[in-house]
Amino acid sequence: DSGVTQTPKHLITATGQRVTLRCSPRSGDLSVYWYQQSLDQGLQFLIQYYNGEERAKGNILERFSAQQFPDLHSELNLSSLELGDSALYFCASSPYPGGANTIYFGEGSWLTVV
Amino acid sequence: GQQLNQSPQSMFIQEGEDVSMNCTSSSIFNTWLWYKQEPGEGPVLLIALYKAGELTSNGRLTAQFGITRKDSFLNISASIPSDVGIYFCAGQLSGEGAGNMLTFGGGTRLMVKP
Repeated sequence: DSGVTQTPKHLITATGQRVTLRCSPRSGDLSVYWYQQSLDQGLQFLIQYYNGEERAKGNILERFSAQQFPDLHSELNLSSLELGDSALYFCASSPYPGGANTIYFGEGSWLTVV
Repeated sequence: GQQLNQSPQSMFIQEGEDVSMNCTSSSIFNTWLWYKQEPGEGPVLLIALYKAGELTSNGRLTAQFGITRKDSFLNISASIPSDVGIYFCAGQLSGEGAGNMLTFGGGTRLMVKP
């Protein structure tokens, strides 16, 4: 158990819909990261937040957005869903921006768009 | 964007055999990491490498940070059935704007025959 909690674990939704994935970081961690894992693109970095502020942005679509709340949990919002958005979405957390060896991943949220 | 080429894509070996996998990049990274992912789980860090030329071991696992900072390899000695999983290399390029993002290789699926 990494200490990073993601909900829901599985989600099936229709094209055009909007979903929200939630992540609770490990206790004390200030940084939250979102990654997308798909068969064709592999593991791709989406976005990072540190103490409520966006710190780095990767290959995140404009239809996707994220935020980190004062209690440090984070949400990833996916809208106007397409079939190609079906993937495993991971949240990870770390105590501070640096130190790759302190990044811990959650178990992921499986999103299936039908 | 940056890409990590990981090979081989899959390996099917006999228990007790040694395994070697590697990653190459078109860009330099400050840190190289190796992760293992098992079904239903997020990636779990195995080894982190911080200096060019560094050779680090973790039990039966040995990894090296290439001198050019553009490659890394992972060796597993005397494989056992529980080594089954997908192994990912990842590079981190810290700095302003880069945050703490990880760039992942495509993964090596390891299967071990008892």
